[in-house]
Amino acid sequence: KAGVTQTPRYLIKTRGQQVTLSCSPISGHRSVSWYQQTPGQGLQFLFEYFSETQRNKGNFPGRFSGRQFSNSRSEMNVSTLELGDSALYLCASSLSPSGAVDTQYFGPGTRLTVL
Amino acid sequence: GQQVMQIPQYQHVQEGEDFTTYCNSSTTLSNIQWYKQRPGGHPVFLIQLVKSGEVKKQKRLTFQFGEAKKNSSLHITATQTTDVGTYFCAGRAGTASKLTFGTGTRLQVTL
Repeated sequence: KAGVTQTPRYLIKTRGQQVTLSCSPISGHRSVSWYQQTPGQGLQFLFEYFSETQRNKGNFPGRFSGRQFSNSRSEMNVSTLELGDSALYLCASSLSPSGAVDTQYFGPGTRLTVL
Repeated sequence: GQQVMQIPQYQHVQEGEDFTTYCNSSTTLSNIQWYKQRPGGHPVFLIQLVKSGEVKKQKRLTFQFGEAKKNSSLHITATQTTDVGTYFCAGRAGTASKLTFGTGTRLQVTL
């Protein structure tokens, strides 16, 4: 089975721009979560989707949004980029967001640099 | 909100020494998961514990889930250079809650 794929892998943007990141989960996985990873803040939870519904949202400003499509692929969007948004954005998929099938399979991440 | 702390933040050991990282949650967890992230890589699932007081072993790694389901530990016996990386615990306060990752423990192993 192919793993979780994320595109693009690297991105450079300037302040004020917006960006869309894409995540394709493992085939058959219906749950997708997004995390922001920075050296000082560890893994911060952004969103969790299951069957196109947002189950949980982290403590991020409204500039961060996401969605999940019927094929379980997910996108996240960041508008009006700020320097502090520079980070590695990780997507993870699982069969279901609970119980024994809650194992998170992470993609390689998208490295976003905001100049 | 739920907070999950890990100690120590960083540990440097000589190869062959043992290593332990501790995970403490501000709330009771329905389960605890452990992940390892190698430098430059992404987190990789190691194990999940569900029952109070549960202990699981994977070769040189021993995982424990506390009786109160608010803390956990990962112990590595006789570390090797391949154990280098950051170890994260993660847990949900309930089945509908988000998965919260701990602050992580970075392990450095030298010969």
